[in-house]
Amino acid sequence: AQSVTQLGSHVSVSEGALVLLRCNYSSSVPPYLFWYVQYPNQGLQLLLKYTSAATLVKGINGFEAEFKKSETSFHLTKPSAHMSDAAEYFCAVSDRIYNQGGKLIFGQGTELSVKP
Amino acid sequence: DAGVTQSPTHLIKTRGQQVTLRCSPKSGHDTVSWYQQALGQGPQFIFQYYEEEERQRGNFPDRFSGHQFPNYSSELNVNALLLGDSALYLCASSLLTSGAVSVYFGPGTRLLVL
Repeated sequence: AQSVTQLGSHVSVSEGALVLLRCNYSSSVPPYLFWYVQYPNQGLQLLLKYTSAATLVKGINGFEAEFKKSETSFHLTKPSAHMSDAAEYFCAVSDRIYNQGGKLIFGQGTELSVKP
Repeated sequence: DAGVTQSPTHLIKTRGQQVTLRCSPKSGHDTVSWYQQALGQGPQFIFQYYEEEERQRGNFPDRFSGHQFPNYSSELNVNALLLGDSALYLCASSLLTSGAVSVYFGPGTRLLVL
């Protein structure tokens, strides 16, 4: 069975500081990994995805994540936080390419706060 | 190009009632999945539809059922509502033939069961 653990339900950073949101996964097969962002009262927006190509994945809004198989991690980073980054972030894993029948397993989420 | 749309945006029901939620996928997408997101939790996979058939199902009771129409739009039905069914219901769409494409989510329907 697959699972995702997001370390830290709440993370607070100052504007301009590094953002680091942690995600560890468990999977018996090569995983596909995703990061989504959810703003209040909205749906989920895809930030980036790893599907077994480059291990360093660049996404939208300056975010990137690195797939580390030895550590079973897929942490999300951004060099400089902006006030507009304040939101809920979800890490997700899939055992197959999503539209081949695989389903997304989500973590519990990390709420990011950005202080002025 | 419209993204994934869902209706209604909000809904209030009482215990024991039945509810139908609707989803129109992104243009050209033929696969629709439904997720339940309880307050403060990550989304939980309910089921996925492709070619009008349920292809995969998560750990949800039979009270949750769905349908996909020839135009790829989909409905989620929940019977005999329980207080615990209160949640944000998210629809997601993707295109089968495009490989590892992104999964697009709609804004969700917020259901409150009293």
